[in-house]
Amino acid sequence: DTGVSQNPRHKITKRGQNVTFRCDPISEHNRLYWYRQTLGQGPEFLTYFQNEAQLEKSRLLSDRFSAERPKGSFSTLEIQRTEQGDSAMYLCASSSLAGGPKNIQYFGAGTRLSVL
Amino acid sequence: GDSVTQMEGPVTLSEEAFLTINCTYTATGYPSLFWYVQYPGEGLQLLLKATKADDKGSNKGFEATYRKETTSFHLEKGSVQVSDSAVYFCALILSGGTSYGKLTFGQGTILTVHP
Repeated sequence: DTGVSQNPRHKITKRGQNVTFRCDPISEHNRLYWYRQTLGQGPEFLTYFQNEAQLEKSRLLSDRFSAERPKGSFSTLEIQRTEQGDSAMYLCASSSLAGGPKNIQYFGAGTRLSVL
Repeated sequence: GDSVTQMEGPVTLSEEAFLTINCTYTATGYPSLFWYVQYPGEGLQLLLKATKADDKGSNKGFEATYRKETTSFHLEKGSVQVSDSAVYFCALILSGGTSYGKLTFGQGTILTVHP
């Protein structure tokens, strides 16, 4: 068990470019979550997957954002036509379906995005 | 909607001082409550949790009691150490409905402990 892995750790891009982040959850974890954290704030929920199905999306997830989890393993979060307001830390978490909905989410170290 | 409010920081203490970080919540159902800690350069780590009223979560000398009557989950530690310096987040999860599975976080409280 190597924990939740996120890549890259840092991404600097110019406004208008597309970026993609990857999250590798703890093996055998059915659920995967994406959150966004801006400076001085707590993480805000973006979306979550149970296996390969995307079951919930926040209104924060505009049409420029898309997330996938093919085959129910790793996940990618893509932001198209980035804006300066997208600058934030993007966090991924995973949890096991066993134990019910109040199970523990394990977080990766995050990808810090800076849009210039 | 559901929300979590934490005491404003930052909090600065001397080593061995008593710590309290206040957390209150608003929820439409019956949430589970959590404290997560974020050390510099690291991901969020679960510190402790409580799943029903009057439960006490504890870990590493930290404690928090789920108080339904006051909708609170205050974090306490009797004697802090320099290594406790971090950002602390209070959070909740609801069961059922459309909020199923997502964490709702407070804004975080920065704790700095001086020797």
